[in-house]
Amino acid sequence: QKEVEQDPGPLSVPEGAIVSLNCTYSNSAFQYFMWYRQYSRKGPELLMYTYSSGNKEDGRFTAQVDKSSKYISLFIRDSQPSDSATYLCAMSEMSGTYKYIFGTGTRLKVLA
Amino acid sequence: NAGVTQTPKFQVLKTGQSMTLQCAQDMNHNSMYWYRQDPGMGLRLIYYSASEGTTDKGEVPNGYNVSRLNKREFSLRLESAAPSQTSVYFCASSAALAGGQNTQYFGPGTRLTVL
Repeated sequence: QKEVEQDPGPLSVPEGAIVSLNCTYSNSAFQYFMWYRQYSRKGPELLMYTYSSGNKEDGRFTAQVDKSSKYISLFIRDSQPSDSATYLCAMSEMSGTYKYIFGTGTRLKVLA
Repeated sequence: NAGVTQTPKFQVLKTGQSMTLQCAQDMNHNSMYWYRQDPGMGLRLIYYSASEGTTDKGEVPNGYNVSRLNKREFSLRLESAAPSQTSVYFCASSAALAGGQNTQYFGPGTRLTVL
């Protein structure tokens, strides 16, 4: 079993839909949770970072962590065609460590 | 600012050939990283450099060497390329060892095919 599991998609939604992207993990020591967006043939860019449990909102994006269920989510409201990309989750046990564990990514297509 | 730059963008090698992937950052970051990205495997850390003058192995270091030439530059060398090293390679940098609030910034990647 992988430490971090992520549905590869592709996930296709119409413009304006609410998108839910998810990762599950097995290591209860993870405390830092990140979401990256990766456009085709580009490097990943950090979208959201969350420490421990709870929600964090940034514009149309909301990151949610449920440590009791070992489950994290990224919600995108009012999705746009420009949101079409692969979304990677990543986790680490502590700050100041090189050790990130990345999910395999979910490919999202927002149809105009 | 260019951020993180990588050269070359594409490369095709024959088995047994050697090459060096170059990476440079202009953000005055201390820490730099090399990852490979393969379908169904996610990003995996090959080597990292916490600060100038230090390098350490990551998850998948076999078949690779690195050099932290100075604060800006971190190169990845394949001494004898194998088909299993066909992948997309990303360099990244961060102000300090990444995790939590220390954001990693990624380069655009090098697509390497080994025949």
